[in-house]
Amino acid sequence: SQTIHQWPATLVQPVGSPLSLECTVEGTSNPNLYWYRQAAGRGLQLLFYSVGIGQISSEVPQNLSASRPQDRQFILSSKKLLLSDSGFYLCAWKQNYEQYFGPGTRLTVT
Amino acid sequence: GNSVTQMEGPVTLSEEAFLTINCTYTATGYPSLFWYVQYPGEGLQLLLKATKADDKGSNKGFEATYRKETTSFHLEKGSVQVSDSAVYFCALLFPNGNQFYFGTGTSLTVIP
Repeated sequence: SQTIHQWPATLVQPVGSPLSLECTVEGTSNPNLYWYRQAAGRGLQLLFYSVGIGQISSEVPQNLSASRPQDRQFILSSKKLLLSDSGFYLCAWKQNYEQYFGPGTRLTVT
Repeated sequence: GNSVTQMEGPVTLSEEAFLTINCTYTATGYPSLFWYVQYPGEGLQLLLKATKADDKGSNKGFEATYRKETTSFHLEKGSVQVSDSAVYFCALLFPNGNQFYFGTGTSLTVIP
């Protein structure tokens, strides 16, 4: 069966520090991968999605970036975090017209 | 453009009450429709789906019917439990599409 992993589960970072969140999927190949952000009490905001290695589509211009160095690995990065980057970050993959979510990373920027 | 509109929460119900969470969509074409549930501190889980008009998705006592004429996909449950307390998201996806469109979520609290 397919599983999706995200780490770390929680993260507290100071403003201006870099960020790297990792997502990996097991049990499938060539999935579509997604990064979402959920601010406190808000809905989902699609940040990036990828249909293959090295292919990244950005939905929201901001100080975040994404990379897909391997088929089942999706990384969200920032060179300098802002306070507004705080939130719950969710990775997801899509197959057969369904989307499956990871457990999320709670990021607090102080 | 494509979008999903959900009723605003929060919704608070007593145990065993009837639940309806409204969801309507705007789309050109015939998308698949989904309900996701998010328990506190967790990711989203697929609750149910419907892929064509008049399909009824169901799971764990929840149901939703794809109504093309009213562009709606309302979530219902006949008797809610405290364990149903969560945030519920309506979403759509076009066949062969890459992007899911999510509603803003509706928070449900069920009190004993």
